Amino acid sequence: AQTVTQSQPEMSVQEAETVTLSCTYDTSESDYYLFWYKQPPSRQMILVIRQEAYKQQNATENRFSVNFQKAAKSFSLKISDSQLGDAAMYFCAYRSRGATNKLIFGTGTLLAVQP
Amino acid sequence: GAGVSQSPSNKVTEKGKDVELRCDPISGHTALYWYRQSLGQGLEFLIYFQGNSAPDKSGLPSDRFSAERTGGSVSTLTIQRTQQEDSAVYLCASSPETQGESSRNQPQHFGDGTRLSIL
Repeated sequence: AQTVTQSQPEMSVQEAETVTLSCTYDTSESDYYLFWYKQPPSRQMILVIRQEAYKQQNATENRFSVNFQKAAKSFSLKISDSQLGDAAMYFCAYRSRGATNKLIFGTGTLLAVQP
Repeated sequence: GAGVSQSPSNKVTEKGKDVELRCDPISGHTALYWYRQSLGQGLEFLIYFQGNSAPDKSGLPSDRFSAERTGGSVSTLTIQRTQQEDSAVYLCASSPETQGESSRNQPQHFGDGTRLSIL
């Protein structure tokens, strides 16, 4: 069974600085999808960025980018020019290319942004 | 509506009571998921509906949990004889999935969840 691990329960960053959130996963599959979701206090999960495992190029969405290391099974999220609105819980998630479409989540990293 | 709608937003009930949680997916989305988020934990998959296919119930923690989806739209998650360990936020998500590889990359759109507290 696949597992997702986020080893940083909490992180803090100064406004305008860069922060990297770590995520590792375990799978025997060669093709899959990886996602980062953001959960503010409103509880709604918001998709930040996604990566297809068969694509070598790292995904980028404005100030958000990933460092996808397939051999190391690592999928870190980099937030550049951090803003106060980035403060939230961030979840890394894995999705199989098999029969089921369920997401497997890590336990999350709580990001604080200091003014 | 514009997004996934869940009701109630908060529910407090006594141990042993039954509860029903409702999810209205985004119009046209064929796939619907239920997840549970316990305090300090990530999201745990519960059940998945896709069109007219048999649901994937592999994540339901016990036979006290059940869910149905009527007419391919609204879904209800029912918890019978609630226990204190059922206290959590229950999140619903929908996705415009169809069969085939292109569906795997479709993001899931989440509602705001129902916070369930069992006294």
